[in-house]
Amino acid sequence: AQSVTQLDSHVSVSEGTPVLLRCNYSSSYSPSLFWYVQHPNKGLQLLLKYTSAATLVKGINGFEAEFKKSETSFHLTKPSAHMSDAAEYFCARSWGGGADGLTFGKGTHLIIQP
Amino acid sequence: GAVVSQHPSRVICKSGTSVKIECRSLDFQATTMFWYRQFPKKSLMLMATSNEGSKATYEQGVEKDKFLINHASLTLSTLTVTSAHPEDSSFYICSAPPGLAGGLMPGNEQFFGPGTRLTVL
Repeated sequence: AQSVTQLDSHVSVSEGTPVLLRCNYSSSYSPSLFWYVQHPNKGLQLLLKYTSAATLVKGINGFEAEFKKSETSFHLTKPSAHMSDAAEYFCARSWGGGADGLTFGKGTHLIIQP
Repeated sequence: GAVVSQHPSRVICKSGTSVKIECRSLDFQATTMFWYRQFPKKSLMLMATSNEGSKATYEQGVEKDKFLINHASLTLSTLTVTSAHPEDSSFYICSAPPGLAGGLMPGNEQFFGPGTRLTVL
């Protein structure tokens, strides 16, 4: 079965330090991959997406992710964490470029320490 | 950008009653919409694909007679939880990929509604 694995359920970093949220996928071909953020009591917001174009994808709010086929990974990074980044982050994949139902990872709760 | 709304945002009902949740694409047409369920502190699970003008497609393990989906128009899909029980309490989220009516362009992202929190007493 196609799946998405987020390796950390919780990540805690200090404000101003780098953020790394890990995501691996299982697939026999290059999927479309997404990172979404969910703030408390809010809907999901797309941070960035990979759809077989550039392997380094830049998103909103300073986030970026690199698609590494050899490692089947799509880790999310940000050079400097901000307090407002505290939220739940979901990695997701689709079969058809994002136009079909998404398979989500279990989520990573990002905690920002002052 | 494309906006998807859901109504109601939260609902509390008694066990045994039915609850209808609406998902609307406000500024685009969507021949397809998706319904997800999110348990507390858990990930989103795809429940079903709502297709305008045809029957919904349900994921394995989702009871289609319990979760009735109707895609009434190109901008509206409804999810009805029938004979609700406390275990149906959850956060229900819909999404839609924008595109021309009848056509879905590769690479399109999905836009998510804000979700509906259902509590069954």
